[in-house]
Amino acid sequence: GESVGLHLPTLSVQEGDNSIINCAYSNSASDYFIWYKQESGKGPQFIIDIRSNMDKRQGQRVTVLLNKTVKHLSLQIAATQPGDSAVYFCAENRRTGRRALTFGSGTRLQVQP
Amino acid sequence: EAQVTQNPRYLITVTGKKLTVTCSQNMNHEYMSWYRQDPGLGLRQIYYSMNVEVTDKGDVPEGYKVSRKEKRNFPLILESPSPNQTSLYFCASSTQEGTEAFFGQGTRLTVV
Repeated sequence: GESVGLHLPTLSVQEGDNSIINCAYSNSASDYFIWYKQESGKGPQFIIDIRSNMDKRQGQRVTVLLNKTVKHLSLQIAATQPGDSAVYFCAENRRTGRRALTFGSGTRLQVQP
Repeated sequence: EAQVTQNPRYLITVTGKKLTVTCSQNMNHEYMSWYRQDPGLGLRQIYYSMNVEVTDKGDVPEGYKVSRKEKRNFPLILESPSPNQTSLYFCASSTQEGTEAFFGQGTRLTVV
């Protein structure tokens, strides 16, 4: 079936290292993807998005890579900081029918000092 | 400051007692939606609204109602709450469907 999921439920990294959070999707009709960050006790916060006509998009300390061949999305965080500790999840937007977002279940990023 | 405001943040209620969770956005967004977040299931859309007086069911609408009388407000109504509606609820808004950029802080609801 169609799904949006994450490879790892928890990712632990050292402060200053780069983090890579992965997301697999199976709906080839999706043409828009968003990464969200959710800190404890808060609502999801938009980080970065990418459209299917792009392979890479960069923001401040974050880069999203899209590999449509293998239906894989990743979020790279450079020089990870303690404030980056949160749950990260991806969402996809289907091109056909209703364009509601489908969310993955999330990966918890733990930054070790 | 651009924001989506939900109230209350926490609510404990009893089965069958009607309740309303309010949501307000100050960005003049046309699209608003409600989600519930449950462990292992991620965010699932309950209802959405494309504009004033235009609402429709999301993926898990059973047991919920919404209204959109004004552009800024999108309340979620539970006419007769049940324990399986215990969850963390989020309201979101955006300029168009499928681009939710702003979420509220969440409402943790417990139905006993």
